[in-house]
Amino acid sequence: DVKVTQSSRYLVKRTGEKVFLECVQDMDHENMFWYRQDPGLGLRLIYFSYDVKMKEKGDIPEGYSVSREKKERFSLILESASTNQTSMYLCASSLPVQGVLGYTFGSGTRLTVV
Amino acid sequence: SQQGEEDPQALSIQEGENATMNCSYKTSINNLQWYRQNSGRGLVHLILIRSNEREKHSGRLRVTLDTSKKSSSLLITASRAADTASYFCATEARGSNYKLTFGKGTLLTVNP
Repeated sequence: DVKVTQSSRYLVKRTGEKVFLECVQDMDHENMFWYRQDPGLGLRLIYFSYDVKMKEKGDIPEGYSVSREKKERFSLILESASTNQTSMYLCASSLPVQGVLGYTFGSGTRLTVV
Repeated sequence: SQQGEEDPQALSIQEGENATMNCSYKTSINNLQWYRQNSGRGLVHLILIRSNEREKHSGRLRVTLDTSKKSSSLLITASRAADTASYFCATEARGSNYKLTFGKGTLLTVNP
């Protein structure tokens, strides 16, 4: 069964910490995405990547960075965690083919910053 | 930028009834997709409809797309308690290079 795996289901971090959220997919997908999901706001795109070492900003990149050193792994980095980054973080991957298949999502990481 | 908007925000029905959710969007699209999310979990892809298609079926799911009205509907027939979840529409806008923009979702509750 194809999978997108996020390293942690729940995470509690302190304000100011550097936080790494890891995402690994085993489907050889070129595209990978990071979203955050908040009540009343839906899913918002943070960063995405179409290939190794490639990244592009989404709608809300401020306070975040990403790393894609290998095709299967896409990491989201919170440089200095703040309480307003408490959220559910969702990683997804897809093939670079329009109109064929959708995204495959991981189970999500619920991050609490205290 | 929020592209798709689902309606209603919440829907409660009895098992065996049909559930209809609607989605409106603003710009030209390559395709529109529907996803399901069980509480606290990741999203699961349900169905994709291309901009040149008007209707698509998958099991108990029926999706329609009206590009002139920039709207779509998702119909779940003969609903089950296990269908209880949030449902999101997502649009791949023209020129967006595979990026999806999601709506805020419809919370469907199916009562046994």
